[in-house]
Amino acid sequence: DTEVTQTPKHLVMGMTNKKSLKCEQHMGHRAMYWYKQKAKKPPELMFVYSYEKLSINESVPSRFSPECPNSSLLNLHLHALQPEDSALYLCASSPGRWDFNQPQHFGDGTRLSIL
Amino acid sequence: KNQVEQSPQSLIILEGKNCTLQCNYTVSPFSNLRWYKQDTGRGPVSLTIMTFSENTKSNGRYTATLDADTKQSSLHITASQLSDSASYICVVSDNDGGYNKLIFGAGTRLAVHP
Repeated sequence: DTEVTQTPKHLVMGMTNKKSLKCEQHMGHRAMYWYKQKAKKPPELMFVYSYEKLSINESVPSRFSPECPNSSLLNLHLHALQPEDSALYLCASSPGRWDFNQPQHFGDGTRLSIL
Repeated sequence: KNQVEQSPQSLIILEGKNCTLQCNYTVSPFSNLRWYKQDTGRGPVSLTIMTFSENTKSNGRYTATLDADTKQSSLHITASQLSDSASYICVVSDNDGGYNKLIFGAGTRLAVHP
């Protein structure tokens, strides 16, 4: 069992739908991350939150909208996605943005399919 | 350009055998090097983290080495088990700008056969 919990595990949505991915951790970590992973490729960083504030946006299209309601929760709101957005979306957390030698703990991801 | 290259791309070994995976990197400034294991359909799990001053680190049957001079790392798996079948990802941390950015290799897909 991972210490970072992501829901749902699978999501199928149409291009006009609005949905949200949820990530939760209770390790007291203050940095949280969203990654996108295509099949047989390494994860690609999308967003970084540090102390509930958006620190890094890796030029992600606006159809992806992150939100960090509190230190334990991270959401990714989805709207008007494209078929090429189908991927595994991974959430991760680490003690803090400045803790360089601490591992990032990953959830098991949400498998997203866009019809 | 910061890059992490892994070899081989894929590897098949028999249960009980040992194997070594390779990682070369060109990342500056270097903060640390990590090895992650990713089972199919799961998130990556951290195996080891090594800083500049560390040459070797073990986690059970996994032993990672780091040569910061040649910018090479290896992950040695001893007495492989079927459960070792997974992708192994080498990740180098670049702390340029004060942010712990991870640069991922493409991974080595390991299959352990009975």
